Amino acid sequence: IAGITQAPTSQILAAGRRMTLRCTQDMRHNAMYWYRQDLGLGLRLIHYSNTAGTTGKGEVPDGYSVSRANTDDFPLTLASAVPSQTSVYFCASSAIAGGPSDTQYFGPGTRLTVL
Amino acid sequence: GQNIDQPTEMTATEGAIVQINCTYQTSGFNGLFWYQQHAGEAPTFLSYNVLDGLEEKGRFSSFLSRSKGYSYLLLKELQMKDSASYLCAVMGSNYQLIWGAGTKLIIKP
Repeated sequence: IAGITQAPTSQILAAGRRMTLRCTQDMRHNAMYWYRQDLGLGLRLIHYSNTAGTTGKGEVPDGYSVSRANTDDFPLTLASAVPSQTSVYFCASSAIAGGPSDTQYFGPGTRLTVL
Repeated sequence: GQNIDQPTEMTATEGAIVQINCTYQTSGFNGLFWYQQHAGEAPTFLSYNVLDGLEEKGRFSSFLSRSKGYSYLLLKELQMKDSASYLCAVMGSNYQLIWGAGTKLIIKP
């Protein structure tokens, strides 16, 4: 593994189903983030984690949950998917949380369609 | 409220120079980032500015004026591979990034 990986690459999901998007990084970064990207809109933060064992809500957290059991993994769960959650989801990580020059590095993304 | 504005789309010619502007209104400021995103791919880091002035990195330069809430990304000697979206993001007082919608840059031969 080099950098950040996400799985699956894409998924079509029936509304009401539960889905977990996986994210793993091997850079030993403390902070991790989940964003969604929709056409015409900027990246929007869903949830974040400043360090293993802690999580926080971003701009659009409703309908999503996360966990951070260890440094490397940061899964995002949709408990009951709805069509408005159709989007491209990006996981990102940064070395430290709250640092002014802290650069975020992105995974390749998961394209999710909810029907 | 917090707002990041950038043009939706720009067109430029191969070999030329293009300037992509970004204006922002945020609660607090801890730096401004520029990212490049090719279609269907992840954003990749280009530059970071926290002090006023110009930061040069090869063909790409980024400028910041904190008093005007303004930044630009300057791309010189444009190549076809520079066709991409360019995302402006500001780190606010809570150290979270606020993202603009991105500028799609089309390079013509």
